[in-house]
Amino acid sequence: KAGVTQTPRYLIKTRGQQVTLSCSPISGHRSVSWYQQTPGQGLQFLFEYFSETQRNKGNFPGRFSGRQFSNSRSEMNVSTLELGDSALYLCASSPGTGGRGYGYTFGSGTRLTVV
Amino acid sequence: QQQVKQSPQSLIVQKGGISIINCAYENTAFDYFPWYQQFPGKGPALLIAIRPDVSEKKEGRFTISFNKSAKQFSLHIMDSQPGDSATYFCAAKGGTSGSRLTFGEGTQLTVNP
Repeated sequence: KAGVTQTPRYLIKTRGQQVTLSCSPISGHRSVSWYQQTPGQGLQFLFEYFSETQRNKGNFPGRFSGRQFSNSRSEMNVSTLELGDSALYLCASSPGTGGRGYGYTFGSGTRLTVV
Repeated sequence: QQQVKQSPQSLIVQKGGISIINCAYENTAFDYFPWYQQFPGKGPALLIAIRPDVSEKKEGRFTISFNKSAKQFSLHIMDSQPGDSATYFCAAKGGTSGSRLTFGEGTQLTVNP
């Protein structure tokens, strides 16, 4: 069974640009969550999508947005990039949402560097 | 209320020794406590998880101990191996946080041969 696939693996962008990251969940998984990982702030929740609907949102500015398609694939977009957006962006998929004990499988992430 | 505090920040253990990582939480509505292992260049991988109605769970060399009254839980790695060298994260989920995982700060474990 294929794991969670994130593309691209690495990305270098200039401050002020926008970027789109992609995530393909495990086949059959309908929930996709996004996390930002930085050395200073650790792992922080961005948002979760389930059946194309945003179910939960973390404490990030509106420059961070996402969406989920009917095939459960998800994209996240960051507009007007800032140097502080440099991070590893992780996608996690799960069979369902909100229920106790649902395991989350993470992808290897997209390393975004803003210069 | 949503924080999870993890210690120590780094840990060095000799091969064959026991590695112990501790976490404390504040939100009593949390009802799922997983531990993740992360190697460089990889995403976190679920290692073991526990629910608050159980005080201990063991899977191979990995054991979670859970103290509901103290709002603390810990990961014990028995017979630690150099291949266990990684960053470990505790996390919690539930209550008003819904499906989001709230992570601890992480522990960099080094197991010397």
